Amino acid sequence: KAGVTQTPRYLIKTRGQQVTLSCSPISGHRSVSWYQQTPGQGLQFLFEYFSETQRNKGNFPGRFSGRQFSNSRSEMNVSTLELGDSALYLCASSLSGLDLGGYTFGSGTRLTVV
Amino acid sequence: GDSVTQMEGPVTLSEEAFLTINCTYTATGYPSLFWYVQYPGEGLQLLLKATKADDKGSNKGFEATYRKETTSFHLEKGSVQVSDSAVYFCATRDDKIIFGKGTRLHILP
Repeated sequence: KAGVTQTPRYLIKTRGQQVTLSCSPISGHRSVSWYQQTPGQGLQFLFEYFSETQRNKGNFPGRFSGRQFSNSRSEMNVSTLELGDSALYLCASSLSGLDLGGYTFGSGTRLTVV
Repeated sequence: GDSVTQMEGPVTLSEEAFLTINCTYTATGYPSLFWYVQYPGEGLQLLLKATKADDKGSNKGFEATYRKETTSFHLEKGSVQVSDSAVYFCATRDDKIIFGKGTRLHILP
């Protein structure tokens, strides 16, 4: 079966712009989580969506937002981009987010803010 | 809150050497524990997991045992290969997965 698909793979944006990243989970998975990965901070949890509702949220400013659609696909949006937002953004899906099997990750979107 | 501490890298070994990457966690209750691996340019892949004390997760020659008494989940492999070069993340989960900082592993031929 198809894995977790993230688009686009690479993105270059200018400070002050906004960006939308997309994640299509594994078929049947209803939980989608987003992580930001940087060399300095490692993997930091952004938020989790389940059945179109945000179930959990990390400690990121309000510029970071997300949503989930009825087909479980998820998008995250970052407004007013800052240089420090440059990172690899990873999406992960699981059946319910509470199952014990761990998450399946996509290959990520590499965002560069210039 | 829950947290994970793993040994800092990079770790450099010769092919066929024995590997240990230490990982300890703090958590309330009895969390599930995971090791993920990230190859260059890719996302994270679940390597192995354990869901209760004394469970041993294993995959591709890697093993880790859930030690409640020492709150540890050390990753081991008896004979590493060049293809094992990657970044390894220890993780625990309460209502979200919490990752350690990652350990970069270099295997020399």
